[in-house]
Order: sequence, then structure tokens, then C-alpha cells
Amino acid sequence: ETGVTQTPRHLVMGMTNKKSLKCEQHLGHNAMYWYKQSAKKPLELMFVYNFKEQTENNSVPSRFSPECPNSSHLFLHLHTLQPEDSALYLCASSQGQGGHYGYTFGSGTRLTVV
Amino acid sequence: QKEVEQNSGPLSVPEGAIASLNCTYSDRGSQSFFWYRQYSGKSPELIMSIYSNGDKEDGRFTAQLNKASQYVSLLIRDSQPSDSATYLCAVKRDSSYKLIFGSGTRLLVRP
Repeated sequence: ETGVTQTPRHLVMGMTNKKSLKCEQHLGHNAMYWYKQSAKKPLELMFVYNFKEQTENNSVPSRFSPECPNSSHLFLHLHTLQPEDSALYLCASSQGQGGHYGYTFGSGTRLTVV
Repeated sequence: QKEVEQNSGPLSVPEGAIASLNCTYSDRGSQSFFWYRQYSGKSPELIMSIYSNGDKEDGRFTAQLNKASQYVSLLIRDSQPSDSATYLCAVKRDSSYKLIFGSGTRLLVRP
């Protein structure tokens, strides 16, 4: 275990469904992130939260809606997704901006949109 | 131009050999550099970080940084089959939360 826990590990959803991904970190970090990893592409940063305030939204479509109620919890709410949104969604956390220790990643949620 | 470029591989080396993984980046303002290892179906795991020009060694791993050439490399000595994974290079500015990744190089270590 890395100290960053993501649930569920796998999710299959239809294009009209609404679902949420959950991330919890037990490392005392102040920043949390959502990344998307698609086959043959680099990890794409989606959202950044610092002390539960959103500091970055990387031009992500509105069908992805993040929520950060506190520094330890991060959610990604999903609705009316497209098949091309199928990917591995990774949550990460860092102390400060992660300059010296990088980010710690969770195990990810494998999302399939049908 | 991609922000962080890596050869996708696969890079195939025999067990016991030195594996050399390379990465170039476009932002001259980048100040922190990381190598992550990702096994198939798993999440990335940090294995090395480097901030100053030169070499940094940790066990069988050596990271090398040349900011003038905008080049980072990772050497793995005495490669083991368990080192077979995808290696991700990542860079960031210290003033930013944004960690930018390359697409990764797949390493295969043949027994």
C-alpha cells in the first residue's frame, strides 16, 4: 500500500450513468491530483487541489467534476461519459508542490465506458 | 514538440547487463526530475529524483542530469528480470504543482 487508496479498482459504466471515483490519502499531504492514463499516451494531469482549493483545471470536459472536501479526500464525479474516456484514472498526493519527493500514486481505477 | 520525450521501446537487455533509459524535456525552467517505474496494470512508483547536474546513485540505479542539454537518463546496473517494467520520466518547475510525464520506455530484461 502506498498510503493513497482509490476505490473502486474497476468500474464499467454506460454513457448515461453517473458514478464517482474516490481517493483517500493517509500521508498528511496537502496537495491531491487526478491523472488520466490512456494506452500509448503520457499521464495527463486533470485537476490539482492544494488544501482543498482547486489550483489547476487542465481543460478537462465538464462531464468530469472534481470535489475535494478536505486535504485527505478527493472525488471525481462522472456523468454522460464517452467511450474514449475509458482509461486508468490515477489519484496522487504530495507534500507541498512535490518538489523533492514527487507524488505518491494510488493504485488507480480502471474505467470502461460502454 | 512533446514536453517530455522518451523512446517507447521496448528496450531489451540480458540479465546482468546495464540498461540505459533516456529522456529529453523542452521547458528550460524545469528544476526537478523524477523517474517512476510502472509494472503492467499497476500505478507508477517513484524510484529516483534528481535536481542538480551530474549523477545521483541509489543502489543499482543512477540518475544523470544535464540541464544544458535538457537531458535526463537512468542507468540500471545488474539488470534483473524483475526490473522489466515501463519507466516514466517526469519533470516540473519548483513553482508549479504540475508534474509532466513522458510516455515511458518499456524495458525487458531477458533471463
